[in-house]
Amino acid sequence: EAGVVQSPRYKIIEKKQPVAFWCNPISGHNTLYWYRQNLGQGPELLIRYENEEAVDDSQLPKDRFSAERLKGVDSTLKIQPAELGDSAVYLCASSQNGRTGGSYTFGSGTRLTVV
Amino acid sequence: AQSVAQPEDQVNVAEGNPLTVKCTYSVSGNPYLFWYVQYPNRGLQFLLKYITGDNLVKGSYGFEAEFNKSQTSFHLKKPSALVSDSALYFCAVRESTTGFQKLVFGTGTRLLVSP
Repeated sequence: EAGVVQSPRYKIIEKKQPVAFWCNPISGHNTLYWYRQNLGQGPELLIRYENEEAVDDSQLPKDRFSAERLKGVDSTLKIQPAELGDSAVYLCASSQNGRTGGSYTFGSGTRLTVV
Repeated sequence: AQSVAQPEDQVNVAEGNPLTVKCTYSVSGNPYLFWYVQYPNRGLQFLLKYITGDNLVKGSYGFEAEFNKSQTSFHLKKPSALVSDSALYFCAVRESTTGFQKLVFGTGTRLLVSP
C-alpha cells in the first residue's frame, strides 16, 4: 500500500503567483483532510471532505484558497495569489470513515516557500 | 471546543534514560486522545491513542501513554530512550462537529536524545 501520496514535496514561488498541491489518499478512504502546519506549530485543519463533499471548510481562507475533490478520490488545494504568510507545510490525510474517526494516515506534506 | 496543551517546547534526555513528553487536555465529554511523531521532512506518524479502557496505553516503537482523568493529562513515556527517537511529538484530541471528526493538535514538543 502506497499510503497517502502528496506532490510536489517542495515548492518555491514568488508572492502573488498561484500554486497547487495534489493529494492521493489511501484507496477506500472516504474522508480526506487538508492541514496547514506553520513553522514550530501543530497542524491546523483547513478543509475536510467526505467523499466529494466539503463538510467543513470553516478554516479555509476562501478569498485566496480553493480545494476540490472530484470523483471523491484525489484532491487539489490551490492558492491564488500566494502571500508571504502562506509559507508552511501543507499536509493531506485520509481516514476510512470521518464519522467514526478511524485512524488517520498523513502524507509527507508539501513544503511551500513564498518569496 | 476541545484543545490540548504541550507545555514544553523541547525535552532533552540521554540515551538509555526514561523520557516523558507532557500533554494536558481540555474537553467536554469523553476525551479521545492521540500521540503522533514527525521526523524531519516527513508526515505525521501515529503512535498511540486512548479511547476508553486501561489508563496505560501501549503504542508503536516502545512508547506508552498514561491517561489521568483527575489531572486531565495524557503524558507520553518510554522507559529507555534511543537517539533515533529524536523527533517532533504532537498530542491531539479528536473533536466532533456536525457529526464528523477532526483532530486538534498541540503545538508540539521537540525531543532530543543525546548519545
